[in-house]
Amino acid sequence: GDSVTQMEGPVTLSEEAFLTINCTYTATGYPSLFWYVQYPGEGLQLLLKATKADDKGSNKGFEATYRKETTSFHLEKGSVQVSDSAVYFCALSGSNFGNEKLTFGTGTRLTIIP
Amino acid sequence: NAGVTQTPKFRILKIGQSMTLQCTQDMNHNYMYWYRQDPGMGLKLIYYSVGAGITDKGEVPNGYNVSRSTTEDFPLRLELAAPSQTSVYFCASRENTEAFFGQGTRLTVV
Repeated sequence: GDSVTQMEGPVTLSEEAFLTINCTYTATGYPSLFWYVQYPGEGLQLLLKATKADDKGSNKGFEATYRKETTSFHLEKGSVQVSDSAVYFCALSGSNFGNEKLTFGTGTRLTIIP
Repeated sequence: NAGVTQTPKFRILKIGQSMTLQCTQDMNHNYMYWYRQDPGMGLKLIYYSVGAGITDKGEVPNGYNVSRSTTEDFPLRLELAAPSQTSVYFCASRENTEAFFGQGTRLTVV
């Protein structure tokens, strides 16, 4: 079945540092890929998405590119802020009828130190 | 626009009790999901539904039941609560790509 493998955490960075959180996936067909963010005590919010190969999703300074050849969707940000501290989840949704599950990685806790 | 609404937000159950976690969405989405999130862990899919009258098991369905009599509502039923069901439960709905999540229900079984 579909699966998402996500970089183990926690990750601690200083403010203005460069961020990469790795995500690779296994899926049949052409899934859609997502990054969700969860702030303390809240539900998950969509951060960005990409629905086909070579698409780049971007939002709030975060970017991720759908790489079918390496089955990856790594999250990057050039200069992190304290307010980016949260848990980040990589996810995919199936593209085929009968494969409607939304599958998540284990999450990566990010802490930014001032 | 309320999105996905979950009730209650918090609940403490005694072992062996039962309860229903409510989930309602007002976006007319066909797909709905129930996940549990254990402390420091990712999300595990309990049950999901692709439309009214249709439900299917996820990764961890044991000890839970669901129904989907309307597009809007997707309640999760816990029968005979056990300490292993202590978790935060999230409901989500989806149409096409983006999924929308409720705020979660924090359940403690003692």
